[in-house]
Amino acid sequence: RKEVEQDPGPFNVPEGATVAFNCTYSNSASQSFFWYRQDCRKEPKLLMSVYSSGNEDGRFTAQLNRASQYISLLIRDSKLSDSATYLCVVPRDSSYKLIFGSGTRLLVRP
Amino acid sequence: EPEVTQTPSHQVTQMGQEVILRCVPISNHLYFYWYRQILGQKVEFLVSFYNNEISEKSEIFDDQFSVERPDGSNFTLKIRSTKLEDSAMYFCASSGEGATEAFFGQGTRLTVV
Repeated sequence: RKEVEQDPGPFNVPEGATVAFNCTYSNSASQSFFWYRQDCRKEPKLLMSVYSSGNEDGRFTAQLNRASQYISLLIRDSKLSDSATYLCVVPRDSSYKLIFGSGTRLLVRP
Repeated sequence: EPEVTQTPSHQVTQMGQEVILRCVPISNHLYFYWYRQILGQKVEFLVSFYNNEISEKSEIFDDQFSVERPDGSNFTLKIRSTKLEDSAMYFCASSGEGATEAFFGQGTRLTVV
C-alpha cells in the first residue's frame, strides 16, 4: 500500500456543485494530516489542517476516519477559482518529513 | 503575512555545473526543508534541517546535494554537478515549533541543459 494515495481525477464539475476527494494513508500512527492546494506550476499552499476528527473552514470540510485510515475533503458550492490540484499530505511519524499524495485534479466549469 | 522566499525563480545551467538555490524561511521557524517536483509528477521530499544539521534525507539526496544555513536567515541547497534529471521545480519550506504545517516558497525552476 502506498504511504499516501489519492484518486488522480480529474474531477470535472459545474460551478455550484459539491465535490469530495478521498485520500488513504498507510501509517496508522499518523496524528496530523493536511490538505494543500497547488495551482499549475506554483507552490503547494496549505488549505486545511486536520488533527482530530475533522475541520471546517467556510465551504471546505475535511474529515478523518482513523479506523479506515482515510481523510476526505469536501468542497461545497464550487467556484471557478477552486480549479486546482488538491494534495493530501501526511507527516511521517517521528520525523519532519511530509509525504505527499499524487494529488487530485479539480476542474470547475462555468 | 510572513512568507518563504526563494531565489532565483528560474535557473538554467549546463550539465556538470554547480548550482546554489537560495531560500529565506519564515523568520521564527525552526525546521527547514527542500522538496522537488519533476514536471507532471508529485512533490518529493529531499531533506529536512533542524538545529543546524540535517535531520533526515531521502535517497534522492545523494553526495551531489548539500544544504547549508550560512547565517541566521538563509537556507541554501547546492547541487555540485548537475545532471539532466535534476531538472525540476525545487521548493523550500519551513515550519514552526512542533514541526506542524509547512509553508512553501514559490519555488525555483531548475533547467539543466
